[in-house]
Amino acid sequence: QKEVEQDPGPLSVPEGAIVSLNCTYSNSAFQYFMWYRQYSRKGPELLMYTYSSGNKEDGRFTAQVDKSSKYISLFIRDSQPSDSATYVCAMTLTQGGSEKLVFGKGTKLTVNP
Amino acid sequence: GAVVSQHPSRVICKSGTSVKIECRSLDFQATTMFWYRQFPKQSLMLMATSNEGSKATYEQGVEKDKFLINHASLTLSTLTVTSAHPEDSSFYICSARDGHSAKNIQYFGAGTRLSVL
Repeated sequence: QKEVEQDPGPLSVPEGAIVSLNCTYSNSAFQYFMWYRQYSRKGPELLMYTYSSGNKEDGRFTAQVDKSSKYISLFIRDSQPSDSATYVCAMTLTQGGSEKLVFGKGTKLTVNP
Repeated sequence: GAVVSQHPSRVICKSGTSVKIECRSLDFQATTMFWYRQFPKQSLMLMATSNEGSKATYEQGVEKDKFLINHASLTLSTLTVTSAHPEDSSFYICSARDGHSAKNIQYFGAGTRLSVL
């Protein structure tokens, strides 16, 4: 079982739709949970980070963490064509004094005008 | 805040030459920087972790003599691809962690696309 599982999609939605992106993980020691957005041929851009279970909202984006189910989600409301990108979940843990960042494979999202 | 600048964004070089990529944290001090490699439609693969003032820690399978990493200051790390060959062509991305923050978050540069002819 992989440490972080993310459906690679692709996911195609019409403009204005609500988008739900999800990741599951197996290691309960993960501490920080992040969502990055990566446009083609660009570096990942941090969108959201959370530490505890629950919801965190920032504009049209809501990050949700459920530690009991080892499940995280990113919701995008009123999706726009400019949201078309690959969304990557990531989570960190510290083991033996070293930091480890584990990525999902990314979900490619296309928002059609 | 938390801006990481990576330069150059694109480089084309001849086989056998060396290429240096710079990664700078612009508005924070990065005690730890990371270098990743990404192949098309693949997730990021960690190559090495560098801590300011000490030797980099390389992931298994990454040749340290091939990929030289220097982290001489709290705001600058460099990756030098030595004697580059076509198989080294890839997208290289750096990230940095704010040494003054308790948040274990990495901020990424825009990446460098290396093409070796």
